[in-house]
Amino acid sequence: QKEVEQDPGPLSVPEGAIVSLNCTYSNSAFQYFMWYRQYSRKGPELLMYTYSSGNKEDGRFTAQVDKSSKYISLFIRDSQPSDSATYLCAPTTGANNLFFGTGTRLTVIP
Amino acid sequence: EAGVVQSPRYKIIEKKQPVAFWCNPISGHNTLYWYRQNLGQGPELLIRYENEEAVDDSQLPKDRFSAERLKGVDSTLKIQPAELGDSAVYLCASAPPGAPDTQYFGPGTRLTVL
Repeated sequence: QKEVEQDPGPLSVPEGAIVSLNCTYSNSAFQYFMWYRQYSRKGPELLMYTYSSGNKEDGRFTAQVDKSSKYISLFIRDSQPSDSATYLCAPTTGANNLFFGTGTRLTVIP
Repeated sequence: EAGVVQSPRYKIIEKKQPVAFWCNPISGHNTLYWYRQNLGQGPELLIRYENEEAVDDSQLPKDRFSAERLKGVDSTLKIQPAELGDSAVYLCASAPPGAPDTQYFGPGTRLTVL
């Protein structure tokens, strides 16, 4: 079993839709939950992260963690064509060890 | 502020040939990582440096891969000899002191082995 499972998609939504991206994980020691965005032929860029359970909001993006069910979510409100990218979840124990999911490829259609 | 710089961006070689990738991290970042990303997969760590010391190379295939980070700044990753299965994107990342999990990635080197 992989440490982190993520639906690879692809996911296509119309502009303005709410997008939900999800990961599950198996390691109870994960404490920080990172989300990276990767545009085609670019390196991943850190989008946001949360510590432990709860929600964190940053503009149109909300990251949510439920440690009891080992479930990680990223919500994008009012999605834009510029949000079209691959989104990678990457939990970590905090010991300098990111565990990346496979990434979900998102396309927002104008 | 300049980001992580990698070169070359693309490399095509024949199997059994050697290849090297270069990375210049963000100024002041003491932690440097090399990852490999296969198509449709997330990045997988190959090696992590703290300054000039390789502190985690457990996932580096040491029979053919080597890396160095002289003077704790630039780093080079080498493959010799390359195999067909080495075709992937090789990503370099760096992180500042005190925030090792906030990694900044370079654009990567896309390697194709024929």
